[in-house]
Amino acid sequence: DQQVKQNSPSLSVQEGRISILNCDYTNSMFDYFLWYKKYPAEGPTFLISISSIKDKNEDGRFTVFLNKSAKHLSLHIVPSQPGDSAVYFCAASPTDKLIFGTGTRLQVFP
Amino acid sequence: KAGVTQTPRYLIKTRGQQVTLSCSPISGHRSVSWYQQTPGQGLQFLFEYFSETQRNKGNFPGRFSGRQFSNSRSEMNVSTLELGDSALYLCASSRYLDRRNTGELFFGEGSRLTVL
Repeated sequence: DQQVKQNSPSLSVQEGRISILNCDYTNSMFDYFLWYKKYPAEGPTFLISISSIKDKNEDGRFTVFLNKSAKHLSLHIVPSQPGDSAVYFCAASPTDKLIFGTGTRLQVFP
Repeated sequence: KAGVTQTPRYLIKTRGQQVTLSCSPISGHRSVSWYQQTPGQGLQFLFEYFSETQRNKGNFPGRFSGRQFSNSRSEMNVSTLELGDSALYLCASSRYLDRRNTGELFFGEGSRLTVL
């Protein structure tokens, strides 16, 4: 039973345009969310997080939006760059661990 | 400073064998978590250790076990290997156990296990 879902396994975006990666969760008790980025042959690295008391958090080109009523969060990358090509995992934190989604492979082409 | 180190990076085993994977956390980090990554399943939480004690465990069978040593290094063991255990096993370390610091999880490059 997947509590954190990333329904798009892949996304292809042109350089300079916006990339939007989506994530849905099922448990309304989740109150802290994170995004990780993973390059091939490397471990995931933390990208950005958001607490449920907020609906938006920005860090440079990266913005995460949280819609608690819809149990949905999204990661916006503007402008997208070729170096952003990676697998992106969203994760939710209940009381004691991180629950990851299945990942979305983003490809940014010139 | 040195990152999270996992050994071995790659290994091949046959069904029924057992395997031990090792993880050395970042210096000063006392929490070590283990995750299994498979295509289509994302990162599945295995267990977390803090100060040599298992603090949390995911939904994996008892064939999966782990431990942590006094120097915070951790090992995980999988006994009676099955084909479905083929995966990338990732170790992550953090300084604290508090989940609000989970953004500070630092992952190793993983150990890729292939079971034939």
